[in-house]
Amino acid sequence: AQTVTQSQPEMSVQEAETVTLSCTYDTSESDYYLFWYKQPPSRQMILVIRQEAYKQQNATENRFSVNFQKAAKSFSLKISDSQLGDAAMYFCAYRSRRTNAGKSTFGDGTTLTVKP
Amino acid sequence: EAQVTQNPRYLITVTGKKLTVTCSQNMNHEYMSWYRQDPGLGLRQIYYSMNVEVTDKGDVPEGYKVSRKEKRNFPLILESPSPNQTSLYFCASSLWRLGGSYEQYFGPGTRLTVT
Repeated sequence: AQTVTQSQPEMSVQEAETVTLSCTYDTSESDYYLFWYKQPPSRQMILVIRQEAYKQQNATENRFSVNFQKAAKSFSLKISDSQLGDAAMYFCAYRSRRTNAGKSTFGDGTTLTVKP
Repeated sequence: EAQVTQNPRYLITVTGKKLTVTCSQNMNHEYMSWYRQDPGLGLRQIYYSMNVEVTDKGDVPEGYKVSRKEKRNFPLILESPSPNQTSLYFCASSLWRLGGSYEQYFGPGTRLTVT
């Protein structure tokens, strides 16, 4: 069974600074997707960024980028130029690409506080 | 507008009174799933469905039932709710075909309280 671990329950960052959220996972599979989702106080789950395991290049979406280390099974999220609107809970998630694999595994989340 | 809808958004009920939380998506997604979110525990998968009439258990299926009779709908049924099922519930859907991105689209959540 796959597991996803977010070792930082809480993080804080100064506005305009950079912060990195950690995520490690355990799997025996080679083909999978990894995601970061953001959950603001509204509780809506919002996709931040996606990484396909077969791609060596790290995904980037504007101020958000990942450091994907497949051998180390590590998938950290870097937020540059942090903004007050980035304050939220962030979840790391794993999905297999096997056609019969429906399970999806989430980490316990990291609460990010942005200080003005 | 592409979306996943859930109803009701808030529900307070009593122990043992059967209830159904509806979930509907308009994106023609094959895959749908239910999660519960509890403080400090992240999202835990209850049930999922790969397509019509195909469902399977997630990590915490006890006390829940689902059905997938139509592609767009995936209701969650609590036959005899108990206080430990008090939680925030999310429905999600995604493509599940070759070339799909597999990212999940989430509904707004249903806050359930069982007294």
